[in-house]
Amino acid sequence: GAGVSQSPSNKVTEKGKDVELRCDPISGHTALYWYRQSLGQGLEFLIYFQGNSAPDKSGLPSDRFSAERTGGSVSTLTIQRTQQEDSAVYLCASSAYRGPHLHFGNGTRLTVT
Amino acid sequence: DQQVKQNSPSLSVQEGRISILNCDYTNSMFDYFLWYKKYPAEGPTFLISISSIKDKNEDGRFTVFLNKSAKHLSLHIVPSQPGDSAVYFCAGELGAGSYQLTFGKGTKLSVIP
Repeated sequence: GAGVSQSPSNKVTEKGKDVELRCDPISGHTALYWYRQSLGQGLEFLIYFQGNSAPDKSGLPSDRFSAERTGGSVSTLTIQRTQQEDSAVYLCASSAYRGPHLHFGNGTRLTVT
Repeated sequence: DQQVKQNSPSLSVQEGRISILNCDYTNSMFDYFLWYKKYPAEGPTFLISISSIKDKNEDGRFTVFLNKSAKHLSLHIVPSQPGDSAVYFCAGELGAGSYQLTFGKGTKLSVIP
């Protein structure tokens, strides 16, 4: 596809379960970002990948959060032992090199019950 | 500490009139500012940007003004159209070497036909 693709679009999970969110960036984009938007909040930076460089994980809120990017393309964001405060829309974005013109996917709405 | 503030959570404007969305920031190191537009259930899309060395940037019906001394920027939409109804996010980017965007909480614009 032409845009950033995220799956699933919606995910409902029980507290304590692990979840995996997937992002397919635009082909050829070397930079990939994860943001999240909690209810009534702005977009919060989580993690950044650029090519084969070590990712910037400075925005991850706790060690329950991790992300990887395989082959410089697809990325997965994993949240272990989910908590209710993890409920948010998780947005993936990519860019040709380094921002700031990010191309966002439609997000995954995560609800932790 | 909110570095980018959009103090108006919502704004209603009549079709054909001017919409003015405001944004204040506290970090004087921001080098670049961007506006993103977001429809429900979609990811944000880039709208317009401005470098900190400029005070105005125009693109069709959209103009962004930057007042560095006041640490304030605004997005003007004229004439407003019903299709402009969306949430608008203001974001700041730090200078060279940075790639994290710091977003405001957004302003929901409703253009009334």
